[in-house]
Amino acid sequence: DIVMTQSPDSLAVSLGARATINCKSSQSLFYNSNNKNFLAWYQQKPGQPPKLLIYWASIRESGVPDRFSGSGSGTDFTLTIDSLQAEDVAVYYCHQYYSTPQTFGQGTKLEIK
Amino acid sequence: QVQLVQSGAEVKKPGASVQVSCKASGYTFTNNYIHWVRQAPGQGLEWMGSINPSGGSTNYAQKFQGRVTLTRDTSTTTVYMELNSLRSEDTAIYYCARRRWGGGAYDSWGQGTLVTVSS
Repeated sequence: DIVMTQSPDSLAVSLGARATINCKSSQSLFYNSNNKNFLAWYQQKPGQPPKLLIYWASIRESGVPDRFSGSGSGTDFTLTIDSLQAEDVAVYYCHQYYSTPQTFGQGTKLEIK
Repeated sequence: QVQLVQSGAEVKKPGASVQVSCKASGYTFTNNYIHWVRQAPGQGLEWMGSINPSGGSTNYAQKFQGRVTLTRDTSTTTVYMELNSLRSEDTAIYYCARRRWGGGAYDSWGQGTLVTVSS
């Protein structure tokens, strides 16, 4: 199984500042045949299902604010939230869909400092 | 708009079975795989398996092999997840999620169904 490890486990950032969450996979998520990284990011608020933010490592889902961005390739990925807003308080998960069983990172809890 | 609506909360005794339904609407049901993910209280996300609503083929996590069955009814655009031989560790919120057209991530999720296993 591919192990997904996020860092940090929790993060406190001031309003308007930048938040950076990292995700490392135990195997490369890059698929040569289509030049894509099989990695997504989700946001989950209390009492709600996860919400897709980023797929193929860097493509923002429709309707997601452009302060959210994804980067990285192979085994190292980053979710960046610029100009943090109060509504961004949530737990963030990375997700690999390169192989089954699909796996998720343990989550990063983002709070306001 | 795309919607996945799940059945309501369940309380089951150890050893029993549970079936959770996921009714899809707002899109062509057979175009998108449906995956199931669960989340134990205060914990992270765990993939259970997937079904192709078009032909009914399934793929299960090894951890759940022999205990989970995914089926679909194209006439009602509903996917079902049955989990057998329940134990206390199966207490969790169970989500169905739609895989994006073109593959990969889950672009729409059900509201979740809490399954509590307790004697």
